[in-house]
Amino acid sequence: GAGVSQSPSNKVTEKGKDVELRCDPISGHTALYWYRQSLGQGLEFLIYFQGNSAPDKSGLPSDRFSAERTGGSVSTLTIQRTQQEDSAVYLCASSQLIRDNQHFGDGTRLSIL
Amino acid sequence: AQRVTQPEKLLSVFKGAPVELKCNYSYSGSPELFWYVQYSRQRLQLLLRHISRESIKGFTADLNKGETSFHLKKPFAQEEDSAMYYCALSLFSGGYNKLIFGAGTRLAVHP
Repeated sequence: GAGVSQSPSNKVTEKGKDVELRCDPISGHTALYWYRQSLGQGLEFLIYFQGNSAPDKSGLPSDRFSAERTGGSVSTLTIQRTQQEDSAVYLCASSQLIRDNQHFGDGTRLSIL
Repeated sequence: AQRVTQPEKLLSVFKGAPVELKCNYSYSGSPELFWYVQYSRQRLQLLLRHISRESIKGFTADLNKGETSFHLKKPFAQEEDSAMYYCALSLFSGGYNKLIFGAGTRLAVHP
């Protein structure tokens, strides 16, 4: 069956540009999470969605970061005015119920020049 | 503050040797801990969680609340165990499951 799908798999952009990362969770999974993995670091929690609402945005590093989820399915993470420190792998995960195992996508590798 | 520490970035062993990947956590509540694994060119996947008390692919992990540790062990390493291993702490509060990850340990098993 289809797992969590993320696109693009790689994104290279210039500093100052906006980028949009997409996550398509497993069908029927109500919980969706975004994490970031910077070089040499563990995964860092960014934001959580339950349905279309985001009860916890505390992990978003700055106001340049925003995320939305529509139809209880696809989510987009937007980074405005990108900076070099935004370079990382952005991972999305989904779970059917809150305490279920989180299933991860392959991630989007973002490189800011 | 909640934290997960994996002190080794790289653990290199020979096939058949015992393996112990260390994980320590800092959390004032009742911890729920996980080990995730990422094989080369594959996505991150759950290996085991402490509440299941399972042995997956020969790996086990015991929660030691006194030492705040959740070390991952395998008595005889195999080459196919070579991967990146992440320990994670679940903060189930506010009605959702927020995972705090360690920095990861790369396990290299040599023939």
